[in-house]
Amino acid sequence: GENVEQHPSTLSVQEGDSAVIKCTYSDSASNYFPWYKQELGKRPQLIIDIRSNVGEKKDQRIAVTLNKTAKHFSLHITETQPEDSAVYFCAASEWGSRLTFGEGTQLTVNP
Amino acid sequence: NAGVTQTPKFRVLKTGQSMTLLCAQDMNHEYMYWYRQDPGMGLRLIHYSVGEGTTAKGEVPDGYNVSRLKKQNFLLGLESAAPSQTSVYFCASSYSAGKPYEQYFGPGTRLTVT
Repeated sequence: GENVEQHPSTLSVQEGDSAVIKCTYSDSASNYFPWYKQELGKRPQLIIDIRSNVGEKKDQRIAVTLNKTAKHFSLHITETQPEDSAVYFCAASEWGSRLTFGEGTQLTVNP
Repeated sequence: NAGVTQTPKFRVLKTGQSMTLLCAQDMNHEYMYWYRQDPGMGLRLIHYSVGEGTTAKGEVPDGYNVSRLKKQNFLLGLESAAPSQTSVYFCASSYSAGKPYEQYFGPGTRLTVT
């Protein structure tokens, strides 16, 4: 089955800096890679996703890159703000079903 | 449009008791999922369904059963609860025309087994 590893487990940045979270996956059949943000006590919420037919996708301050050959993908957050503080999860799946999640990254943005 | 809802929000069980968690979605999604979330371990798939009347095992299915008698509902059952099943349980749904991949999560059920 699929295995997803996520690094780092914790990340602390100053407001305005960039944050990068990296994930690797094992199953070459995976073709859908979403990122979720989870605030304390809340449900995971999809913030951006990428399919294997593209290498990069951007949505305002958030971008995701995918390297299919190396089987890794990354989340980039620019101009971080205190409200970006949360746990971020990457995931991988084939055709959107059976998501396999990474263990999460606790991002703290210090004012 | 309520999206994905879960009942109950909180529950405390004694070891050996049984209970059913209910998930409902009003987005006409084909696929539904049950995950558990434990500290430091992300979300792990328990069981899932790709359509009414179908169910399949996920990564951690032992000790749980599921049923999908109606398209909009997905039930998760614990027949004999154990302390190791203390967790937060999330339901999710996906697959509709135009947005086949995105999974939408419910608010979660916090279960404690003593």
